[in-house]
Amino acid sequence: DTGVSQDPRHKITKRGQNVTFRCDPISEHNRLYWYRQTLGQGPEFLTYFQNEAQLEKSRLLSDRFSAERPKGSFSTLEIQRTEQGDSAMYLCASTLGGTTEAFFGQGTRLTVV
Amino acid sequence: GESVGLHLPTLSVQEGDNSIINCAYSNSASDYFIWYKQESGKGPQFIIDIRSNMDKRQGQRVTVLLNKTVKHLSLQIAATQPGDSAVYFCAEKRGATNKLIFGTGTLLAVQP
Repeated sequence: DTGVSQDPRHKITKRGQNVTFRCDPISEHNRLYWYRQTLGQGPEFLTYFQNEAQLEKSRLLSDRFSAERPKGSFSTLEIQRTEQGDSAMYLCASTLGGTTEAFFGQGTRLTVV
Repeated sequence: GESVGLHLPTLSVQEGDNSIINCAYSNSASDYFIWYKQESGKGPQFIIDIRSNMDKRQGQRVTVLLNKTVKHLSLQIAATQPGDSAVYFCAEKRGATNKLIFGTGTLLAVQP
């Protein structure tokens, strides 16, 4: 257990539905990242928060995706109007300051049917 | 999805042997290079990192080597154990946000 919690662990949804995932980082970590990982590939960066501010978004993050970190603690990632191509593992990671050791959660596996 | 993504490079070793996993990177400006281990159904787990101004760093049973001339990174695992079986990813820390750019993984299979 890395101390980063993600919920749910698995989500199956029908195409067109909205889904929301939650990440609880390690409590003192001010930096939070979302990544997406498809089978056989390395994680791909989606977005970054420093405290409550979203400071970087990847071009992978289409306008159907939105992420928040309202109080600088937990974060949510919402996907609207899901598509089959959204099926992937969504990973959250947190770090303290500029340290390189990012702690990852176990991920939320999304399957869009 | 694309089936080509399922064909991870695989390294098969005998328990007790040393393992060497290789990675090529593209960005000369990266400050840090990191190795992660990912077991099935879990998130990546930090193993070891190396700053770009170093060429070698040792941890417990692991050594990372960095060759900036040929943009090559390797992870050496001594006395490989069954618990080392996993997918290993190299990653570069990029930019002011410290986001990680992951390379292609290598599946390490340890035979008892």
